[in-house]
Amino acid sequence: NAGVTQTPKFRVLKTGQSMTLLCAQDMNHEYMYWYRQDPGMGLRLIHYSVGEGTTAKGEVPDGYNVSRLKKQNFLLGLESAAPSQTSVYFCASSLSGDSYNEQFFGPGTRLTVL
Amino acid sequence: GQNIDQPTEMTATEGAIVQINCTYQTSGFNGLFWYQQHAGEAPTFLSYNVLDGLEEKGRFSSFLSRSKGYSYLLLKELQMKDSASYLCAVTDSNYQLIWGAGTKLIIKP
Repeated sequence: NAGVTQTPKFRVLKTGQSMTLLCAQDMNHEYMYWYRQDPGMGLRLIHYSVGEGTTAKGEVPDGYNVSRLKKQNFLLGLESAAPSQTSVYFCASSLSGDSYNEQFFGPGTRLTVL
Repeated sequence: GQNIDQPTEMTATEGAIVQINCTYQTSGFNGLFWYQQHAGEAPTFLSYNVLDGLEEKGRFSSFLSRSKGYSYLLLKELQMKDSASYLCAVTDSNYQLIWGAGTKLIIKP
């Protein structure tokens, strides 16, 4: 099993450009999450999904959109990139969303917006 | 607001013992996780506590006191490969994970 995979691993964008980050999991997990991680700060939740066809906003959703058309995939879109979106983006998945919701993480995407 | 506090950085010697503390103030509590994150890599699960007390798993142990809003991760017989950041995270009343900023642990020979 590959677990959680993310593409691309690295990307450099210019301000105003758009892009989509792809996350895939092969563990049949219901819940999927997109986080950003910045130096000196904890992981911050951008958007999450509790099942195929559902999405919900997290702590820092502005400037991002998501879609979960298939259970195994969770896409994160940046419509008009800004330098403040320079960060490391992690996708994660969990079997459920109850108290023991151990999350499995992908390897991350390092995004730089110039 | 919700808050999780951990020391920013700690240094310890190979073969020694180190304790990493985590205090939290969250809207509700449904469990506490510790994750390990090596530089440039993804976080990986270490431990989970939902009841008060100590959970032991090999060289790593995690303790929880819900009344004090406090947890610690204890690492014994430190090895160089234990150099990493250790993230404390709490599941709140909405079953959302609230993450601390992490503690960078530096192991010296």
